[in-house]
Amino acid sequence: GIQVEQSPPDLILQEGANSTLRCNFSDSVNNLQWFHQNPWGQLINLFYIPSGTKQNGRLSATTVATERYSLLYISSSQTTDSGVYFCAPSEVAGGFKTIFGAGTRLFVKA
Amino acid sequence: NAGVTQTPKFQVLKTGQSMTLQCAQDMNHNSMYWYRQDPGMGLRLIYYSASEGTTDKGEVPNGYNVSRLNKREFSLRLESAAPSQTSVYFCASSEGLAGGRRSYNEQFFGPGTRLTVL
Repeated sequence: GIQVEQSPPDLILQEGANSTLRCNFSDSVNNLQWFHQNPWGQLINLFYIPSGTKQNGRLSATTVATERYSLLYISSSQTTDSGVYFCAPSEVAGGFKTIFGAGTRLFVKA
Repeated sequence: NAGVTQTPKFQVLKTGQSMTLQCAQDMNHNSMYWYRQDPGMGLRLIYYSASEGTTDKGEVPNGYNVSRLNKREFSLRLESAAPSQTSVYFCASSEGLAGGRRSYNEQFFGPGTRLTVL
């Protein structure tokens, strides 16, 4: 099955700093999602990105499917960016399969 | 739009008791999912329903059953709860299966049910 590795596992930033989160996956996948889980446990879909680059405000994501990795960029971080960021590659081949990584825990200091 | 709703929010069970977790979505989505999240970990797929009338096993289906009651509702049942099933349970929905390439298949999650089995 798909193996997912996220790095770094923990990250502390000063408000206003930029960061890059990485997701490596072991097999070819049809798609990949990035989620943010806020400190209250709510999961929010940030990007649905099989390949290429997408941007949404201060966040952007790039997936290079042929090299089996995806990057999430956070610019000008804010305290509200704190929480856990998960990547979740998935595929539909002989049934739906999705694997969530262990996440990157981000804390942004004011 | 309420999005994806789950009931109850919290539940404590004794070993061997049964219960059903309810999930409903008002986005007219075809696909629905149940995940569990254990402390410090990502989510693991328990069961999913690609469309009304179909259900399939995910990564960790043992000890659970599901029912896709109609297009809106997807329930998860624990027949005989065990302490290993202590977890936070999330329901999600999407237009189509989230493994496809279409951009509108992103998943939307409910607020979760925190279940403790003593």
